Amino acid sequence: SQQGEEDPQALSIQEGENATMNCSYKTSINNLQWYRQNSGRGLVHLILIRSNEREKHSGRLRVTLDTSKKSSSLLITASRAADTASYFCATDRNNAGNMLTFGGGTRLMVKP
Amino acid sequence: KAGVTQTPRYLIKTRGQQVTLSCSPISGHRSVSWYQQTPGQGLQFLFEYFSETQRNKGNFPGRFSGRQFSNSRSEMNVSTLELGDSALYLCASSLAGQGNGYTFGSGTRLTVV
Repeated sequence: SQQGEEDPQALSIQEGENATMNCSYKTSINNLQWYRQNSGRGLVHLILIRSNEREKHSGRLRVTLDTSKKSSSLLITASRAADTASYFCATDRNNAGNMLTFGGGTRLMVKP
Repeated sequence: KAGVTQTPRYLIKTRGQQVTLSCSPISGHRSVSWYQQTPGQGLQFLFEYFSETQRNKGNFPGRFSGRQFSNSRSEMNVSTLELGDSALYLCASSLAGQGNGYTFGSGTRLTVV
């Protein structure tokens, strides 16, 4: 079963605009990760934020984490057509191994 | 360095048959985990192997099994295939320990007819 939901399920923006995706989860976590998937291919790891962190940046990506609300957001600034993909949040809560629980994903389309 | 390699890329099988999928992790990565992705259920964890031992298991029937070899390569097997097993099967490898992020392969697209 999925850990939580992502919002919105689909997002369409113009190149240059910012894109914000939200993720909610249900249980306590060790860390939360964001992945990108192009056209049903493999997942690409974007960024990881630990449960004791509140914000993290990587290039044009900004991730926030609010453990009290069990939610996270991914902001992509100055979007490009190449950012068109599905984005998934995944929670890692198992201290005895590697086991991710994924959200349902947000399909982002960036129009040139 | 080479990424995670999954073979084959595409597979078509008939109901009732069995299938074996292969995953070669990044060199030095000892943890290999498997995920199933379907339009209806999304991405779901199947199992994880570390040092040839299954360390975690998802909520899948016993028809789904796996193993890991001494070189960390992993295989998963699905017996008595059902139409609902049609999915993209993804393998991910990571270094031992938590919080390192995962590197995924391109997946094996399995179609059961």
